[in-house]
Amino acid sequence: DTAVSQTPKYLVTQMGNDKSIKCEQNLGHDTMYWYKQDSKKFLKIMFSYNNKELIINETVPNRFSPKSPDKAHLNLHINSLELGDSAVYFCASSQVGTGLRDYNEQFFGPGTRLTVL
Amino acid sequence: DQQVKQNSPSLSVQEGRISILNCDYTNSMFDYFLWYKKYPAEGPTFLISISSIKDKNEDGRFTVFLNKSAKHLSLHIVPSQPGDSAVYFCAASKTQANQAGTALIFGKGTTLSVSS
Repeated sequence: DTAVSQTPKYLVTQMGNDKSIKCEQNLGHDTMYWYKQDSKKFLKIMFSYNNKELIINETVPNRFSPKSPDKAHLNLHINSLELGDSAVYFCASSQVGTGLRDYNEQFFGPGTRLTVL
Repeated sequence: DQQVKQNSPSLSVQEGRISILNCDYTNSMFDYFLWYKKYPAEGPTFLISISSIKDKNEDGRFTVFLNKSAKHLSLHIVPSQPGDSAVYFCAASKTQANQAGTALIFGKGTTLSVSS
């Protein structure tokens, strides 16, 4: 029973192509995220969606467009791929806490390794 | 600028001994801290967390200590086991009441190797 799944796991493509990465969570969470782990191993937030609404949009080129058809899915579409887009992309999900605080325990997918040639 | 720093890229420990992984942060607005464990070709797995209203949280072999005045936290693993060998990421967030989607700010990770 995979909690957060991503497809594909590996993606090799040429510069200039357009590609999508899909993410699905079966945890019933209302918030989903995309993180990028670059060659220096830093994990950085890219986007966050809550109930299909964009919450966080970090300084990411507009070639990257997230789409959330429903609470359980957050897909990432990348146009005109560049060499620098090569990285591992992780999807995550969490649930807004009840009460006064949002304890932000996020559950991560296995990652998609994107290689742009 | 790195708001969360893990200054030791690697740590080697013998089985049965204590592993201590350290993390420093610069942003005093952070009020929730997490440790994640990551195996190669897998996503990070949540391990343990601590709120800034506490200074210690324990879960089995894992204990996290928070020193707010020093802006420092540490993860203790006792006793260490070979299966603990992985990359450990420290993460921090600024939680806001009833606001969803708070980003986690990650350190660069420390690779722990536990030898038998």
